[in-house]
Order: sequence, then structure tokens, then C-alpha cells
Amino acid sequence: DAKTTQPPSMDCAEGRAANLPCNHSTISGNEYVYWYRQIHSQGPQYIIHGLKNNETNEMASLIITEDRKSSTLILPHATLRDTAVYYCIVRAFTGTASKLTFGTGTRLQVTL
Amino acid sequence: ETGVTQTPRHLVMGMTNKKSLKCEQHLGHNAMYWYKQSAKKPLELMFVYNFKEQTENNSVPSRFSPECPNSSHLFLHLHTLQPEDSALYLCASSHPTGTSGRTSYNEQFFGPGTRLTVL
Repeated sequence: DAKTTQPPSMDCAEGRAANLPCNHSTISGNEYVYWYRQIHSQGPQYIIHGLKNNETNEMASLIITEDRKSSTLILPHATLRDTAVYYCIVRAFTGTASKLTFGTGTRLQVTL
Repeated sequence: ETGVTQTPRHLVMGMTNKKSLKCEQHLGHNAMYWYKQSAKKPLELMFVYNFKEQTENNSVPSRFSPECPNSSHLFLHLHTLQPEDSALYLCASSHPTGTSGRTSYNEQFFGPGTRLTVL
């Protein structure tokens, strides 16, 4: 699986957009970009994934650059409940039960 | 609520004890996973089960023994653990491939975890 690089921490004011970057310069053509988050002492929660097109769901938007070497997760209106560690994971869809390799992620602190 | 439950939520055990962690999923998934999260470390995959068969053992010591009697239940049997095994143990499940819908794309649903302390 391709390696990802994320900033260790970020701050965001409540109500503003949180933009979390991820670099994955060695991504292969068949690898997807996944985002999960983990609120303190809970299990990780799936947020969104994409291959090459931008994606949006009720939680967030995922913007993937044209060369697919980086992506940005956007939380459009961050709330205090969005304070968590956000993980960017690159993984091929292998067709079997497959593991996710979590890095250290970005710790997002949303403040008043 | 993710549809994945874990019991107990907290466990304290001595190094000579034998205990088991239980995971149950109500999502109709056929793949289940055990992860370990030590303090200030990334999640580490321990085991993967696909249709009740173990497909991955990530070099886990034999004092951890998984069991998957059916696609809905996953156990982690613990014996003669060490204090450094203290961690949050997380179970997850996912759809197998070939199913329709977005959830086939490696979307794993995690339980709340069991906080294990080994004295």
C-alpha cells in the first residue's frame, strides 16, 4: 500500500471549514483514498473514499488532485464534535477482506 | 451505534489469568478484524477473518488466540499476557467483495473497543 503523509495536528474554529491535507505521492492507479476518524477512545469511523473523482457525502467532501498524489478532506462547517484524529489511508480494492494500515493521522482540534 | 458490539468494554487482568474478548456484528458482514491500539501508537492489525477463515495473522504472539465460530462473532482469547499488552482492542467488520453497494469498498465498521489493562 502506498504511504501517506499528514500534518500531525491542526486547529479549526467552530463553524469554519476544516481542510485536512494528505500526501500520497506513490499511489498506484488501482488504489483508493480512504478517510477515517477516531474520536478519543472510540473505534474509528469511516468518513469517505474516492479513486480519482471528487466525492461528497453527508459528512465531508474529498478533493483528489488530478495527478492523485495528494488529497484534501473538507469538513464544511466544523463543530466541536468533529474534534478527532483523522486518518488518510490508501488501499487497493483487492477483492477480498483486506486490511487498513493506519498511520498517526492528523489531530484536529475544533475550538469555539 | 455502528452495528458492531464488543464486550467487555473494560477488562483488568493479571498476567496468569485467562480471559476472552467478544465481538458481535449485526450487519451481515462476512469479514471481521482484530486491531490493537497501544497508547500513542497507530492502530495495528492483528487478525483478519473472511467467511470464518483466518486470512491474516500479523505476527501476533501466541498468547493471543482468535476464534471465529461464525460470520457474526469473533473472539480473542487471552492468556499469560504481559503488561505491555495493555491497550485498546478494536474489532471491525466489512462486507466481502462482490457485493453491491458502497460498503464493499473496504469500508470497515468498528466496535467501541475493549480497554484492557494487564497488571
